Amino acid sequence: SQTIHQWPATLVQPVGSPLSLECTVEGTSNPNLYWYRQAAGRGLQLLFYSVGIGQISSEVPQNLSASRPQDRQFILSSKKLLLSDSGFYLCAWGEDLWYGYTFGSGTRLTVV
Amino acid sequence: GQQVMQIPQYQHVQEGEDFTTYCNSSTTLSNIQWYKQRPGGHPVFLIQLVKSGEVKKQKRLTFQFGEAKKNSSLHITATQTTDVGTYFCAGGRAAGNKLTFGGGTRVLVKP
Repeated sequence: SQTIHQWPATLVQPVGSPLSLECTVEGTSNPNLYWYRQAAGRGLQLLFYSVGIGQISSEVPQNLSASRPQDRQFILSSKKLLLSDSGFYLCAWGEDLWYGYTFGSGTRLTVV
Repeated sequence: GQQVMQIPQYQHVQEGEDFTTYCNSSTTLSNIQWYKQRPGGHPVFLIQLVKSGEVKKQKRLTFQFGEAKKNSSLHITATQTTDVGTYFCAGGRAAGNKLTFGGGTRVLVKP
């Protein structure tokens, strides 16, 4: 069966520090991968998605970037965090639009 | 770009009562999915609707896709405390690789 792993679960980082969040999927190949951010009590904002190795589509211009170095690995990064980067970051995978997304358990990021 | 709106944003429901949340898209959708996110958790896929006018049921939950494939609804009967959470709809377009999520309806149940 397919599983998705996301870590860390919580993170407190100072303003200006770098960020690296990792997401890996097991049990499937060539999945579509997604990074979402959710502000407290708010909806899901799509940040990046990838349909293959090295293919990244950015939805919202900001100081975040994403990379997909391997088929089942998706990384969200920042060189310098801002206070506004705080939120709940969720990784998700899906075969395509016709199947439900499976979300990871998320990372709660607090920038202080 | 495509927008998906959900109303209401918040829903306070007395335990045992029914309620409905609505999802409206600015464009025609190829499919619509519904997710539930429990407090402190991550969204979990509930169901997908594909056909115009389609109705699907999961126990006390009834999902409907509009005839024009631009809107959808989720109706919950006899609300229970286990129904607490945020319900998201997400619409897809045939030519795309991503779903557009609505803002969610946060459901609070009063015992």
